Amino acid sequence: GEDVEQSLFLSVREGDSSVINCTYTDSSSTYLYWYKQEPGAGLQLLTYIFSNMDMKQDQRLTVLLNKKDKHLSLRIADTQTGDSAIYFCAESSGGSYIPTFGRGTSLIVHP
Amino acid sequence: GAGVSQSPSNKVTEKGKDVELRCDPISGHTALYWYRQRLGQGLEFLIYFQGNSAPDKSGLPSDRFSAERTGESVSTLTIQRTQQEDSAVYLCASSLAHSELNTEAFFGQGTRLTVV
Repeated sequence: GEDVEQSLFLSVREGDSSVINCTYTDSSSTYLYWYKQEPGAGLQLLTYIFSNMDMKQDQRLTVLLNKKDKHLSLRIADTQTGDSAIYFCAESSGGSYIPTFGRGTSLIVHP
Repeated sequence: GAGVSQSPSNKVTEKGKDVELRCDPISGHTALYWYRQRLGQGLEFLIYFQGNSAPDKSGLPSDRFSAERTGESVSTLTIQRTQQEDSAVYLCASSLAHSELNTEAFFGQGTRLTVV
């Protein structure tokens, strides 16, 4: 199976919260990332979390990490149409900092 | 430049031809990565350069693929005898250093390669 898995699509109403989930297999993962890719643009790092943290909050973004279950989530509060994009989960492990990416989750925000 | 620059942005080539893709990393970034993104797929790691060390070529899918980088500057990814399965977006990224303290990779907009 894939090293990093995500659901492919998520549709939410504007103003609601979005939660994008990710699971990974590498128990030695040191860093876990969320990247955003808007149409026609390159990937942009949104946030990252160290594996020894459970949560990280940055304005409308909340990252939760369950290291036992190897589960990472990204919550976007008060989702706006400008948040519509593909969100990639990625991980890298000590000794090899080459990020491994999931397939990406397409977030669609409708009025 | 301010960001990672890739050229060309789009390339259409005939099956069997060779193509060369270029990446200009952010100045001062010692680490450079190439990824491939096929339609509906995740990013597939191809090759990584760190300073003057030997590159990590573990992700290259076949010997038709090769990449070079001179020092900490421009990198070129070459695909020989292109096949239709090579059609994808090729993404380049660079980071300040390949270490625990500097892991953020900055991505270019990619080169969309179409093999017909």
